[in-house]
Amino acid sequence: RKEVEQDPGPFNVPEGATVAFNCTYSNSASQSFFWYRQDCRKEPKLLMSVYSSGNEDGRFTAQLNRASQYISLLIRDSKLSDSATYLCVVTGAGSYQLTFGKGTKLSVIP
Amino acid sequence: NAGVTQTPKFQVLKTGQSMTLQCAQDMNHEYMSWYRQDPGMGLRLIHYSVGAGITDQGEVPNGYNVSRSTTEDFPLRLLSAAPSQTSVYFCASSYGQGNEQYFGPGTRLTVT
Repeated sequence: RKEVEQDPGPFNVPEGATVAFNCTYSNSASQSFFWYRQDCRKEPKLLMSVYSSGNEDGRFTAQLNRASQYISLLIRDSKLSDSATYLCVVTGAGSYQLTFGKGTKLSVIP
Repeated sequence: NAGVTQTPKFQVLKTGQSMTLQCAQDMNHEYMSWYRQDPGMGLRLIHYSVGAGITDQGEVPNGYNVSRSTTEDFPLRLLSAAPSQTSVYFCASSYGQGNEQYFGPGTRLTVT
């Protein structure tokens, strides 16, 4: 089983739609969880950290289910500027190292 | 505060040539790392360092060397370039365990 698995996509959605990305991780000792965003031919940038209680940042909501080893990202009211690849990222206990999923590409269509 | 910088942005090498990809950060971060990103493969860790003088191998270290003589700099050396090393290389840093990593803009390397 791969360490971090994501929906491969691509997701093509109209502006204003709600879209959800899912991610599963294999290491039950994983401690920290993130969603990164990567624009075409650019470096990954942190979108948001994911906390056990779930967290929201504007139109973005992240959820963590430790029992199921599952992370989700919900984007509401999609904008054209949300078009990017979304990377699910986890770290192990006491570790600096990030393990990346392969990413899910989102295209928001006018 | 420039964050993480990488040079060069683009490079073309012939098989067998050597070169060094430069990475520097001005955030006083302990942890620095190198990744390569290939289509369909995601980001894979090459080498990392948890502080000056300390380096370790990641998932795909073969064909690459690193050193960390200062907190700021973490160069990646390709000893004898091969076409399989054609990729986009990202350097990243973070200030502690479990914290977000900040990425440089990347170096696009082609080996012919």
